Amino acid sequence: KAGVTQTPRYLIKTRGQQVTLSCSPISGHRSVSWYQQTPGQGLQFLFEYFSETQRNKGNFPGRFSGRQFSNSRSEMNVSTLELGDSALYLCASSSTATSGVDTQYFGPGTRLTVL
Amino acid sequence: DQQVKQNSPSLSVQEGRISILNCDYTNSMFDYFLWYKKYPAEGPTFLISISSIKDKNEDGRFTVFLNKSAKHLSLHIVPSQPGDSAVYFCAASEKGAQKLVFGQGTRLTINP
Repeated sequence: KAGVTQTPRYLIKTRGQQVTLSCSPISGHRSVSWYQQTPGQGLQFLFEYFSETQRNKGNFPGRFSGRQFSNSRSEMNVSTLELGDSALYLCASSSTATSGVDTQYFGPGTRLTVL
Repeated sequence: DQQVKQNSPSLSVQEGRISILNCDYTNSMFDYFLWYKKYPAEGPTFLISISSIKDKNEDGRFTVFLNKSAKHLSLHIVPSQPGDSAVYFCAASEKGAQKLVFGQGTRLTINP
């Protein structure tokens, strides 16, 4: 089975712009979660989508948003980019059903640099 | 408030010996715990997990121990190999929530 894929792998943007990152989960996985990794804050949870609905949300401003499509693929969007948004953005998928917790498998990440 | 803590930023171990990585948590609602291994600029790779109904789980060279009363878990790697050199993260989630809370990571170096 193919793993979680994320595109693009690297991205350079300037302050004030917006960006969209894409994630394709492992085949059959219906839950997709997004995380941000920075040197100062470590790995932090952004949000989780299941069946096209946001099921969990972390403590990030409204500039960070996401969505999930009927094929479980997910996108996250960051509007009005700030320098502090420079980070590795990671997507993870799991096969969890409507309840319960399952292991999350991560993609390689998208390295976003904001200039 | 850091709910998951890895107090050792780094650990150096001789090849062939045992590596023990530790993790403490404060949230008593956590009931599922995982260990991930990570290389720079890559996504975390899942190693092993444990549910709160167990106190030990083994998978090959990796064993995770959970002490619920102490809110402490540890990862044992035996024997340690040079390829084990990486940053290790412990993570936890509450029942029914696909939201992982990560520790800050421990950089493990295996010396030949």
